[in-house]
Amino acid sequence: AQKVTQAQTEISVVEKEDVTLDCVYETRDTTYYLFWYKQPPSGELVFLIRRNSFDEQNEISGRYSWNFQKSTSSFNFTITASQVVDSAVYFCALSTTSGTYKYIFGTGTRLKVLA
Amino acid sequence: EAQVTQNPRYLITVTGKKLTVTCSQNMNHEYMSWYRQDPGLGLRQIYYSMNVEVTDKGDVPEGYKVSRKEKRNFPLILESPSPNQTSLYFCASSLWQANNEQFFGPGTRLTVL
Repeated sequence: AQKVTQAQTEISVVEKEDVTLDCVYETRDTTYYLFWYKQPPSGELVFLIRRNSFDEQNEISGRYSWNFQKSTSSFNFTITASQVVDSAVYFCALSTTSGTYKYIFGTGTRLKVLA
Repeated sequence: EAQVTQNPRYLITVTGKKLTVTCSQNMNHEYMSWYRQDPGLGLRQIYYSMNVEVTDKGDVPEGYKVSRKEKRNFPLILESPSPNQTSLYFCASSLWQANNEQFFGPGTRLTVL
């Protein structure tokens, strides 16, 4: 079975703090893709990053960084020096390409950054 | 402008009255999908389509139908809506399969009384 777990339902931090959002996934497939999406209070869903199962290199984009570890089936997301505009719900997602082509989302983590 | 559009954005209806939520994309994407978002449950995939005339069930297909007669359109049909289908619905598309980033529509807030 394929599953994505985001155990942190809600996190509150003070502006400029660093915060890590956890994502743990389950799949038996060897080829799969992991994603992060952001849903700000306005409600739209915004793509942040995609990573395939063969690329464990960490990625940094400005204040955002992602740590992919196959050994622990995790794909964590860190925001450095958080800002109020980072307040949103963040979703981790998994897709596979063997047999079915489903897209599985976690339940999301609501991040509140306080000024 | 590249986009996914959904209509209507808001809908209040009554139990049993058939309804259709339209979804259209102008990016020539092959993969399209419908999700519902409920508090505490995240987004759950209802149906997806790999291409014209190719559709398949997601994780929560019961009570829904879809069709893909044209590449750009992927309507979601509720033949006999029930209150447990009250939810926020998102349509999405991606270039092909499910391994590309998805572009989401603005969402449709459905209330079934």
